[in-house]
Amino acid sequence: DIQMTQSPSLLSASVGDRVTINCKASQNINKYLNWYQQKLGEAPKLLIYNTNNLQTGIPSRFSGSGSGTDYTLTISSLQPEDFGTYFCFQHNSWPLTFGSGTKLEIK
Amino acid sequence: EVQLVESGGGLVQPGRSLKLSCAASGFTFSSFAMAWVRQAPKKGLEWVATITSGGSNTYYPDSVKGRFTISRDNAKSTLYLQMDSLRSEDTATYYCAKWPFFAYWGQGTLVTVSS
Repeated sequence: DIQMTQSPSLLSASVGDRVTINCKASQNINKYLNWYQQKLGEAPKLLIYNTNNLQTGIPSRFSGSGSGTDYTLTISSLQPEDFGTYFCFQHNSWPLTFGSGTKLEIK
Repeated sequence: EVQLVESGGGLVQPGRSLKLSCAASGFTFSSFAMAWVRQAPKKGLEWVATITSGGSNTYYPDSVKGRFTISRDNAKSTLYLQMDSLRSEDTATYYCAKWPFFAYWGQGTLVTVSS
């Protein structure tokens, strides 16, 4: 199974900051990497699919990059509504696996 | 508008069975693979099962393989998850999600396995 290691697990940042969240796969996942945002009590929301494709309706301050085993989600200028937990997810091979999550708090 | 509405959750004793449903609308259900994803209380996300658009292929992680069965009725635009031999560690909110990329999710249904 492919293990997805996310870092950091907790992140506190201020409005306007540039924020990066990392995800490392235990083997090459060929850019089949998605990012989701989840707020308390809600279903996850797709932000980025296949490493760097912005889902329709997601603000352009969100971007993704990476290849091989290392991937990054970047928020260029943090907004108050960006708080929540972020998960990476690989769909390169079965079983599909999620990262353990990064909780983003707004200072 | 894509809508996914789960139902069937509740309290069940260990070893018993439960069947979840997910009613889909707003898209051509029969054209898309579908999946179940769960989230234990205050924990992360875990993929549970995927079924192809026609229903001929299904996929599971080892944690539920042999106990859970995903199925679909394309005429009714409904996805199912039959859960047998339930364990306490199956306690979670269960979401149905539309592929590709899990771009759409339902609101979830809570399954509690406890005596």
